[in-house]
Amino acid sequence: EAQVTQNPRYLITVTGKKLTVTCSQNMNHEYMSWYRQDPGLGLRQIYYSMNVEVTDKGDVPEGYKVSRKEKRNFPLILESPSPNQTSLYFCASSSSGTQLGFNTIYFGEGSWLTVV
Amino acid sequence: AQSVSQHNHHVILSEAASLELGCNYSYGGTVNLFWYVQYPGQHLQLLLKYFSGDPLVKGIKGFEAEFIKSKFSFNLRKPSVQWSDTAEYFCAVNFKAAGNKLTFGGGTRVLVKP
Repeated sequence: EAQVTQNPRYLITVTGKKLTVTCSQNMNHEYMSWYRQDPGLGLRQIYYSMNVEVTDKGDVPEGYKVSRKEKRNFPLILESPSPNQTSLYFCASSSSGTQLGFNTIYFGEGSWLTVV
Repeated sequence: AQSVSQHNHHVILSEAASLELGCNYSYGGTVNLFWYVQYPGQHLQLLLKYFSGDPLVKGIKGFEAEFIKSKFSFNLRKPSVQWSDTAEYFCAVNFKAAGNKLTFGGGTRVLVKP
């Protein structure tokens, strides 16, 4: 079954304590991305990756890091979380193809993060 | 910067009513257009997409959308809604000039009363 798996699904953490949200896909997709969802703002892209070792900033990259060492994994790292990073986070993946490849974007189930 | 606007933040309607949700995007040349739906507690699912060709696109669950290039719009429609259409709907645009980014609108929460 095609899946994008995120962990943890729910997390409450304290300001400044480094955390990583993992994302894994089993579809051999080249393209992976992280979004945060906030009320009234929709989904905003944090970072994306076109392939292994290729990452790029989205619209709201400040305070986040990513890495793409393997094709299936795309972890989101918050080095020093702050309360304004409290949000619902979604990982997504898609095959790239020759065009921009948004034929089907598969989303993970979301990770609720609260920073106190 | 490219942007996507959804004018209605909340819509309440009764079953069997018709639904139309507006989506406008800023000028940005060639675009790919999408509508996603998020049912309560679930992740986003693709309703329909437009890349090229017939500007009237049919999607799943009886939804359709019309791309009007001159108006930079991609409105979503359903002739007769059901209670199960209660969800949040997101318009998303891939501005090709911006590379591989997908820009989402702020979402519209739709509540269908039984």
